[in-house]
Amino acid sequence: AQKITQTQPGMFVQEKEAVTLDCTYDTSDQSYGLFWYKQPSSGEMIFLIYQGSYDEQNATEGRYSLNFQKARKSANLVISASQLGDSAMYFCAMREGHELTGGGNKLTFGTGTQLKVEL
Amino acid sequence: EAQVTQNPRYLITVTGKKLTVTCSQNMNHEYMSWYRQDPGLGLRQIYYSMNVEVTDKGDVPEGYKVSRKEKRNFPLILESPSPNQTSLYFCASKTVRRTGSYEQYFGPGTRLTVT
Repeated sequence: AQKITQTQPGMFVQEKEAVTLDCTYDTSDQSYGLFWYKQPSSGEMIFLIYQGSYDEQNATEGRYSLNFQKARKSANLVISASQLGDSAMYFCAMREGHELTGGGNKLTFGTGTQLKVEL
Repeated sequence: EAQVTQNPRYLITVTGKKLTVTCSQNMNHEYMSWYRQDPGLGLRQIYYSMNVEVTDKGDVPEGYKVSRKEKRNFPLILESPSPNQTSLYFCASKTVRRTGSYEQYFGPGTRLTVT
C-alpha cells in the first residue's frame, strides 16, 4: 500500500481563489510528521508547512494551512488567495516515528500534484 | 546564509565510470539525506546519516554508497553507474528539535544522465 497518496495529478485554480491539495497517508506509528513541499519549474524543493501527529491545532504558515484530520489520515494543504507564483508541483511527505530516533530522519513522498494558477 | 550546496549541478556520464556527487551544508546539521526524484514516483530516499560516521540505507540504496567523515559533507558515490540511475538527485539536511517541528533544507539538485 502507498504510504502517501496524492490523488490529484494536476489542478487548475484561478488567481485569488483558494485551493485544496489532497494528501492521505498510511502508518501504524503513533508519532509521525507530515510535510508539504513546493517544487517550481526551476527544480528546487521548498519547505512549506509541517504538522506533527500530536499537534492539536492545524498548522498555518502565511497563506498555507494544513487541514489535518487524524482519524481519516488526511493532511490536505490549503492555499488561500492563490497567486501566479504558486504554480508548481506540490509534494506531501511523511516522517514515521519520532524525529529524535534514527528512523525519524526518513521522509516518504507522494507522487505530487501539479498546480497551475490562471488569471 | 543557510544553504545546502551540491556539485555538480548537471552531469552526463557513461555506464561504469565512477562518479561522486558532493553535498555540503553550512548549518551544522546532524541529519543529512540523499533522495532521487523520478517522474511519477516522487522523491525516494537513498541513504541518510544521523551524524559523523553514522549512515543507513533508505528505500533505494542499491548501486550507491555514501560516507560521512565530516559533519558538513555527505557525498554520494556511484561506483559503477548504470542508465537506470539517470535521475534528479537531492541532498537534504535538517536539525533535530525537541518540539518536533523543523525545516528540512534541500540542495538545488543534481541532474545526472548515464548513457
